[in-house]
Amino acid sequence: AQTVTQSQPEMSVQEAETVTLSCTYDTSESDYYLFWYKQPPSRQMILVIRQEAYKQQNATENRFSVNFQKAAKSFSLKISDSQLGDAAMYFCAYRSNAGGTSYGKLTFGQGTILTVHP
Amino acid sequence: DTGVSQNPRHKITKRGQNVTFRCDPISEHNRLYWYRQTLGQGPEFLTYFQNEAQLEKSRLLSDRFSAERPKGSFSTLEIQRTEQGDSAMYLCASSENSPYSFGSGTRLTVV
Repeated sequence: AQTVTQSQPEMSVQEAETVTLSCTYDTSESDYYLFWYKQPPSRQMILVIRQEAYKQQNATENRFSVNFQKAAKSFSLKISDSQLGDAAMYFCAYRSNAGGTSYGKLTFGQGTILTVHP
Repeated sequence: DTGVSQNPRHKITKRGQNVTFRCDPISEHNRLYWYRQTLGQGPEFLTYFQNEAQLEKSRLLSDRFSAERPKGSFSTLEIQRTEQGDSAMYLCASSENSPYSFGSGTRLTVV
């Protein structure tokens, strides 16, 4: 079974600075997706960025980028020019691309609470 | 696209009572997922539907839990004889292909 570990329960950053959230995962599969989701307090979870395992190039979405190290099974999220609206719980998630009856099921990490200081 | 809708948003129930939650997915999405999230933790997979077929159930889904998706549209999650350990946020998500769209969740408190 796949596992996802986020070792930083909480992180903080000053507005306009850069912060990196860590995530490691364990899998025996070679074809999968990795995601970062943002969950603001009392609001729904939204997708921040995703990475396909067979793509070596790191994904980037505006101020958000990832450092995907497939051999090390590491998937960190970098938030540049942090904004107050970035404050939320961030979850790293894994999804197998193997198909079958589990298709689409996400395995989440424990989450990292990000605080942004003005 | 009105997004994934979940009702009720909050539910307080006494231990031993039955509760039912509803999820209305995005209309063209054929896959629907239920997750449970306890405070300060990541969501845990409960069950998955493709159209009306329930294709996978987690071991977390004890025999007190049942989910349905009649006609492949909305879905319901019922918990019978609720226990305090059932207190959690119950999240629904739908997709056609990656990525998911999540609902806002139903927060259950068992007193």
